[in-house]
Amino acid sequence: AIRMTQSPSSFSASTGDRVTITCRASQGISSYLAWYQQKPGKAPKLLIYAASTLQSGVPSRFTGSGSGTDFTLTVSCLQSEDFATYYCQQYYSYPWTFGQGTKVEIK
Amino acid sequence: QVQLQESGPGLVKPSETLSLTCTVSGGSMSSFYWSWIRQSPGTGLEWMGYIYYSGTTNYNPSLKSRVTMSVDTSKNQFSLKLSSVTAADTAVYYCARVYSSSSTVFDYWGQGTLVTVSS
Repeated sequence: AIRMTQSPSSFSASTGDRVTITCRASQGISSYLAWYQQKPGKAPKLLIYAASTLQSGVPSRFTGSGSGTDFTLTVSCLQSEDFATYYCQQYYSYPWTFGQGTKVEIK
Repeated sequence: QVQLQESGPGLVKPSETLSLTCTVSGGSMSSFYWSWIRQSPGTGLEWMGYIYYSGTTNYNPSLKSRVTMSVDTSKNQFSLKLSSVTAADTAVYYCARVYSSSSTVFDYWGQGTLVTVSS
C-alpha cells in the first residue's frame, strides 16, 4: 500500500495567516491526490481533488499543488472556520490511503 | 442534495459480525461507487472498500477476508458486514459516495456511527 505522510502533525496559527501543509507519498501517484477538512465530531469534507482542483463550494483561499510524490495544501488567509484537521488521500492505486492528518490550532 | 445516513448496532461483541447499513437520499445510487471508511485514533482514516451500484466490489486487502459489502438499489441502501471483530475494529464508521470513476474521492459522507467492540 502507498503510505501518505503529512507534515507537520499539528501547528498553531492565527487568523489571517498563510499556512501550508505538506503530504508526501511513498511512491509516485501522479496527481491522484485529494485533500479533506475534518472538524471535531464531523465527517471529512472534500476540499480539493486531482491535486489542485477545487471542489464546488470550497473557498478560493484553499489551493493545492504538486504531483508525483510531493503535494501541498495552502490556505492563503486563515479564517476562524478553517481551524480543523486536514487529511490527504491518494487514489492512484488500491488500497486508497489517507495521511495521518494535520491539526491546525488557534494560536 | 445527496445525504447518507449510517445505521446499525453501536456495540458488537468480540468474534461476532459487525453489520451496518447506509441509506442514500436526495439522489440515485446508479452510476456511482459507494464506500465504507472507518476512523480510529490508532489507525486514522482507513478505506475499507467500495461497491458499485451494480454490485461489483473492491475491498481493502487488509480486511478482505472479513468484509462483505452489498447493495439494494430498490431501497437506496448499501451495507457492510465485518466478521470476527476484535477491539481493534472499534471505530467511527462512515459511508461515502465516490465522486466519479475518474476522480475516486469521497464527495458525500454520512455523519458517521461509532461502533464499539466489547463484551
